[in-house]
Amino acid sequence: AQRVTQPEKLLSVFKGAPVELKCNYSYSGSPELFWYVQYSRQRLQLLLRHISRESIKGFTADLNKGETSFHLKKPFAQEEDSAMYYCALKRPGGSYIPTFGRGTSLIVHP
Amino acid sequence: EPEVTQTPSHQVTQMGQEVILRCVPISNHLYFYWYRQILGQKVEFLVSFYNNEISEKSEIFDDQFSVERPDGSNFTLKIRSTKLEDSAMYFCASSAQGYEQYFGPGTRLTVT
Repeated sequence: AQRVTQPEKLLSVFKGAPVELKCNYSYSGSPELFWYVQYSRQRLQLLLRHISRESIKGFTADLNKGETSFHLKKPFAQEEDSAMYYCALKRPGGSYIPTFGRGTSLIVHP
Repeated sequence: EPEVTQTPSHQVTQMGQEVILRCVPISNHLYFYWYRQILGQKVEFLVSFYNNEISEKSEIFDDQFSVERPDGSNFTLKIRSTKLEDSAMYFCASSAQGYEQYFGPGTRLTVT
């Protein structure tokens, strides 16, 4: 069975500090991974996906198959990055339906 | 920018009652989804809908749940006989091509 683990419920940093939100997965096939973000009082939205290897709002995430990880990183956190972040793994099959982790609440202090 | 909308924002119902949660997907989208999130837990997939039928469902989506697209704009989730454990945030999402999903703001369902 596939599983996504986000070990930290809460991550608290100061503005300008580096951020790493951890995500580990278990999946026997070729994984497709995503990060979703939910800002306060806003809706859940896709932040980035590993296959596009993009940087969104300064965030990057690299798939490490050896460590089965897909950690989300940003070198310098901003206060507006404060949000709930969910790592997700595409369910098996053709449809892009995510299996979500529990989420990590990121708080960036001024 | 078009958005997925959901009504009501909060629904309180008594155990055993039927509830219908409503969603208006983005107008040119063809794929529709329901998720739920019990407080403090993960967002869980319930069901996906395409071409007027269920395309995929999870083990959570049992006989007490049903979905419908009654007209060209609405997408509904019906829970036939609510239980206390159905209390959760229910999210609707839609997608143009079955790839990137756009989520609604959610309906908080409280079963008493």
